[in-house]
Amino acid sequence: SAVISQKPSRDICQRGTSLTIQCQVDSQVTMMFWYRQQPGQSLTLIATANQGSEATYESGFVIDKFPISRPNLTFSTLTVSNMSPEDSSIYLCSNTGTGGTDTQYFGPGTRLTVL
Amino acid sequence: AQSVSQHNHHVILSEAASLELGCNYSYGGTVNLFWYVQYPGQHLQLLLKYFSGDPLVKGIKGFEAEFIKSKFSFNLRKPSVQWSDTAEYFCAVSPNFGNEKLTFGTGTRLTIIP
Repeated sequence: SAVISQKPSRDICQRGTSLTIQCQVDSQVTMMFWYRQQPGQSLTLIATANQGSEATYESGFVIDKFPISRPNLTFSTLTVSNMSPEDSSIYLCSNTGTGGTDTQYFGPGTRLTVL
Repeated sequence: AQSVSQHNHHVILSEAASLELGCNYSYGGTVNLFWYVQYPGQHLQLLLKYFSGDPLVKGIKGFEAEFIKSKFSFNLRKPSVQWSDTAEYFCAVSPNFGNEKLTFGTGTRLTIIP
């Protein structure tokens, strides 16, 4: 599986500000995804990050709130915009590896706290 | 849309006890099934997966899971747990047509008492 790193690993932000989370993979991967894990809850898919085109968002998530970029096959960013305390979560990126398999491998996550 | 249910929210066992964590899914078509584990302070790791073939799959660290299609279940088992198995366990499902969208269950927290 491709090795994933995320930056920052954690952050504490003020209400109304935005934070951009970076996801770097050590090899080219076909699919990349962004998930949210709210405190005490399971993982929820935010969107599929498509290389060179707009991300595909799941129900309940919109581009204005969670803009995503994927300029190449090894990198993606997720921005959490106009944050509120309800956005406090762990944000994770995942990928399906270099072979484009049906198995997803997850990064270490970014723990976001919004005050 | 698919959904996943994990009925055990928190399980506490003594070392050497046998483990079975329940997972049921809802989906009208063929699925891929996964168990992920998140050890304290670590990131999510793949434990095992089922795509097709033998419904009994073996994963890392002595874990196995059995896919029972008639029951829409994919329960995780381990005959003898260790203190190091203390973690959060997530069952997940994706449609088996290259969609790759994973739907996770709510997770089961497993605590092993030495």
